[in-house]
Amino acid sequence: GAGVSQSPRYKVTKRGQDVALRCDPISGHVSLYWYRQALGQGPEFLTYFNYEAQQDKSGLPNDRFSAERPEGSISTLTIQRTEQRDSAMYRCASSSMNYGYTFGSGTRLTVV
Amino acid sequence: AQSVTQLGSHVSVSEGALVLLRCNYSSSVPPYLFWYVQYPNQGLQLLLKYTTGATLVKGINGFEAEFKKSETSFHLTKPSAHMSDAAEYFCAVSKSNAGKSTFGDGTTLTVKP
Repeated sequence: GAGVSQSPRYKVTKRGQDVALRCDPISGHVSLYWYRQALGQGPEFLTYFNYEAQQDKSGLPNDRFSAERPEGSISTLTIQRTEQRDSAMYRCASSSMNYGYTFGSGTRLTVV
Repeated sequence: AQSVTQLGSHVSVSEGALVLLRCNYSSSVPPYLFWYVQYPNQGLQLLLKYTTGATLVKGINGFEAEFKKSETSFHLTKPSAHMSDAAEYFCAVSKSNAGKSTFGDGTTLTVKP
């Protein structure tokens, strides 16, 4: 597509529920990144992929968080057994080799 | 480990005045440095980047930044502010052109008429 698309734009979920956040990167972009951004702070790295291979997941906070990109395009970030502290803006970005990131508009997750 | 410090969470300038947003970084390897801009309800957009070579980098919308290794700085400037420049600006450092980036906490720029 023309830009990075994330869905849903907003998600409100009850504590303990699982959520899946979707990212559709720019067509042809090899790399896809997930970041989390708390209010008043910069984006914090979670994980990234080259094609379908997860290259670095060092930023995932705990084992409730996982991500996949099975066909090297669309990616899903899954949070199991959500907690209130998971509430944040989740941002996806994609990049080609010689450019910085192109970010999507993000998914605002609220855990109540 | 890499880190970024953006001095001043809020900067206010008058329209037509110089814009200076400060960024200092820490990196154990030669850094790749980026500035992003975020308008309300939008994603972050790349303004400019430094990889290697010329230390003065020009970006979109009249912004530029200079990499100063001795000062570990990458400050963002624009000679004359426009109302449309009002946004949040993020500095980021990376070990390469791809991979993980570490972001600062951002500086909100306000432009007064």
